[in-house]
Amino acid sequence: NAGVTQTPKFRVLKTGQSMTLLCAQDMNHEYMYWYRQDPGMGLRLIHYSVGEGTTAKGEVPDGYNVSRLKKQNFLLGLESAAPSQTSVYFCASSILFDLWTVTNTPQETQYFGPGTRLLVL
Amino acid sequence: KQEVTQIPAALSVPEGENLVLNCSFTDSAIYNLQWFRQDPGKGLTSLLLIQSSQREQTSGRLNASLDKSSGRSTLYIAASQPGDSATYLCAVRGETSGSRLTFGEGTQLTVNP
Repeated sequence: NAGVTQTPKFRVLKTGQSMTLLCAQDMNHEYMYWYRQDPGMGLRLIHYSVGEGTTAKGEVPDGYNVSRLKKQNFLLGLESAAPSQTSVYFCASSILFDLWTVTNTPQETQYFGPGTRLLVL
Repeated sequence: KQEVTQIPAALSVPEGENLVLNCSFTDSAIYNLQWFRQDPGKGLTSLLLIQSSQREQTSGRLNASLDKSSGRSTLYIAASQPGDSATYLCAVRGETSGSRLTFGEGTQLTVNP
């Protein structure tokens, strides 16, 4: 299994350009997440999805859109990139979160991709 | 709003030393707490997960404790090695946040040979 993969690994954009970051997982996970990581800010949740065809806003959703057309893929879009979106973007996935059947195992954890470094000039 | 703080921000120790990393959170209504490791230029890898009903979890040279009522967790690393050099992040899952995690900023650990 490849786990969680992200494409591209690195990208430079000019202000106002658009792009899409692709996240793919082969673990049949229901939940997928997009985070950004900035110095001094930790990881912050942008958007997440609890299943195919569903998405929800996280902590810092402004300026981003997402789509989950297939269970294994979660796309993060920047319609008009801004320098403030310079960051490292991480995708993660996890199993269906069920309060009533969760066990004390690593299965509950989120699995992370290697990240995409984005520089907006 | 849940806030997670990690102290210290950076730590440098000689090889073989035992060390403790600290994590505190403001809202004690958590479901669990996790410690992750992040190597430079890489994603995060889960090290230990502690449910709110537990006091500690152990994996090899790592031991994580949780005091939910005081909003604190520690990660103890025994007999540190240069390969332990990485950034360690803690994250909490709130009782009302579903599957979402709130992360601390991390502690950057350097173990010198």
